[in-house]
Amino acid sequence: AQKVTQAQTEISVVEKEDVTLDCVYETRDTTYYLFWYKQPPSGELVFLIRRNSFDEQNEISGRYSWNFQKSTSSFNFTITASQVVDSAVYFCALSEAGGNNRLAFGKGNQVVVIP
Amino acid sequence: NAGVTQTPKFRILKIGQSMTLQCAQDMNHNYMYWYRQDPGMGLKLIYYSVGAGITDKGEVPNGYNVSRSTTEDFPLRLELAAPSQTSVYFCASSPGQDPSPLHFGNGTRLTVT
Repeated sequence: AQKVTQAQTEISVVEKEDVTLDCVYETRDTTYYLFWYKQPPSGELVFLIRRNSFDEQNEISGRYSWNFQKSTSSFNFTITASQVVDSAVYFCALSEAGGNNRLAFGKGNQVVVIP
Repeated sequence: NAGVTQTPKFRILKIGQSMTLQCAQDMNHNYMYWYRQDPGMGLKLIYYSVGAGITDKGEVPNGYNVSRSTTEDFPLRLELAAPSQTSVYFCASSPGQDPSPLHFGNGTRLTVT
């Protein structure tokens, strides 16, 4: 069975600091997909990034970066130079190949950026 | 292009009442999903559908029913509402091919008292 663990519940940072969110996953499949979603205070869920299990290349997109390590089953997410608009709940999620895109979500990280 | 539309946005139910949460998508997506979000608990899958006429249970299906008579619509039915069903409900859709991101509606906040 697939499982996603986000250990930290609430993280507070001062504006312009970096913040890293940890995500650890469990799956028996060799092919799977990892996602990060953002849920701002308005409540909608916004897709941020997807990674395939066979692609461990880390990526930077603007102020966001991702660190995927299969050896430790981790898919961490970093916001560089945080801004107040980054205040949100961030969810890590996993889907397995052939799983009809069903996502298993972690409990989420509440990020509070203090101006 | 409206995406995924959920109605109503808010609803208060009394224990034992029934209601249907509506979900419609205009992206011609084959796959649709219902999730519930409880505070601090992430999202859990209730039911999903891979096409018209096909539905299947997710992780927490008890107390709910779904139907999928068209590609566009995927209503979620609550029979005999209970306080444990107080939650925010999200409908989502995807084209269906791995690993498509899910497109979410804006949610329905349901309170059962």
